[in-house]
Amino acid sequence: QKEVEQNSGPLSVPEGAIASLNCTYSDRVSQSFFWYRQYSGKSPELIMSIYSNGDKEDGRFTAQLNKASQYVSLLIRDSQPSDSATYLCAVHTGTASKLTFGTGTRLQVTL
Amino acid sequence: GAVVSQHPSWVICKSGTSVKIECRSLDFQATTMFWYRQFPKQSLMLMATSNEGSKATYEQGVEKDKFLINHASLTLSTLTVTSAHPEDSSFYICSARVTAANTGELFFGEGSRLTVL
Repeated sequence: QKEVEQNSGPLSVPEGAIASLNCTYSDRVSQSFFWYRQYSGKSPELIMSIYSNGDKEDGRFTAQLNKASQYVSLLIRDSQPSDSATYLCAVHTGTASKLTFGTGTRLQVTL
Repeated sequence: GAVVSQHPSWVICKSGTSVKIECRSLDFQATTMFWYRQFPKQSLMLMATSNEGSKATYEQGVEKDKFLINHASLTLSTLTVTSAHPEDSSFYICSARVTAANTGELFFGEGSRLTVL
């Protein structure tokens, strides 16, 4: 089992719709979770961080964390074509200070 | 967010030569920096953790003699790919954590795309 799993997609949503991106992780003691956006040929940029169960909202983005289910998600409201990118879920795993990334979900927002 | 700068952004070299990539934290001090590698359509894979003033910690399967890491100051870490070969062609990205907490956010440099002919 991979430490961090994501559906590779592509996930296609029409402009203005809600995009829902999901991620599961295997390490039960993970404490911090991040969503990064990566445009093709560019490095990742941080969108959201979440540390406790529940929802965290920032503008059009909402991160949701359920530690019991080992599940973290990212909702993008009012999706725009500029949101088209690969979204990487990252989890701080184990006792070492390193971040483990999922393979990413490619999101396509269509006009 | 915090600014991490990488140089060069892209480099083409001949097989057998060495290439140095620099990673700088511009507005904060980073005692720890991380070097990742990303092949096309794959996720980021951690290569090593660079510690200021001490030896880097390499991930399993990463050759420490091939990927030399130096972290001589709190704002600069360098990665040298020695005797590069075409299979080393990849996107190399450094990152740093602003806070001392191990669970804090990572900020990434712009990345360096290496092509070995």
